[in-house]
Amino acid sequence: AQKVTQAQTEISVVEKEDVTLDCVYETRDTTYYLFWYKQPPSGELVFLIRRNSFDEQNEISGRYSWNFQKSTSSFNFTITASQVVDSAVYFCALSEVNDMRFGAGTRLTVKP
Amino acid sequence: GAVVSQHPSRVICKSGTSVKIECRSLDFQATTMFWYRQFPKQSLMLMATSNEGSKATYEQGVEKDKFLINHASLTLSTLTVTSAHPEDSSFYICSARDFTGTALTDTQYFGPGTRLTVL
Repeated sequence: AQKVTQAQTEISVVEKEDVTLDCVYETRDTTYYLFWYKQPPSGELVFLIRRNSFDEQNEISGRYSWNFQKSTSSFNFTITASQVVDSAVYFCALSEVNDMRFGAGTRLTVKP
Repeated sequence: GAVVSQHPSRVICKSGTSVKIECRSLDFQATTMFWYRQFPKQSLMLMATSNEGSKATYEQGVEKDKFLINHASLTLSTLTVTSAHPEDSSFYICSARDFTGTALTDTQYFGPGTRLTVL
């Protein structure tokens, strides 16, 4: 069965610091999809990125970047120059055929 | 991107009553919808997978007679919490799968969630 591990339960940084959120996954499938979602206090999940297992290219979107390494089964997320508005719970998720499994989430607090 | 709505966004009910939550895909057809449950400060747990026109597939430990799922059309799935009790109080989130024919475009879109409080 697939599994997603986010070992960091809570992270607290000061504004403008860089922060990396770790995600390690387990799957027996060769085709799978990895996701990152942001969940602000309102509760609504905000889609950040989707990565296919056959595409190991790292991606950068503004202050966000993702490092996908199949060799270590990791899909880490870095926020550069963090801002207070980045404070939220971030979930990494893995999807195989027809469902999506979430990690436990990392609560990020960015202090001014 | 695609939009998924949920109604109601918040509901408070008395113990023993049933509550129905609707999940709609607004601008695409969703052959598959998913229902998740999230307790405070915890992750999302998949409850069931619902395919249009067929019975839902429930995850281990989820009571199918308590959480009734109906996926009557390609744009609507409903979750009914029957005889709700305080321990059913949770945040329920649905998602809809938009599969347009290729793996590259297959993705899930999440609704805004429904917060259920059972008194």
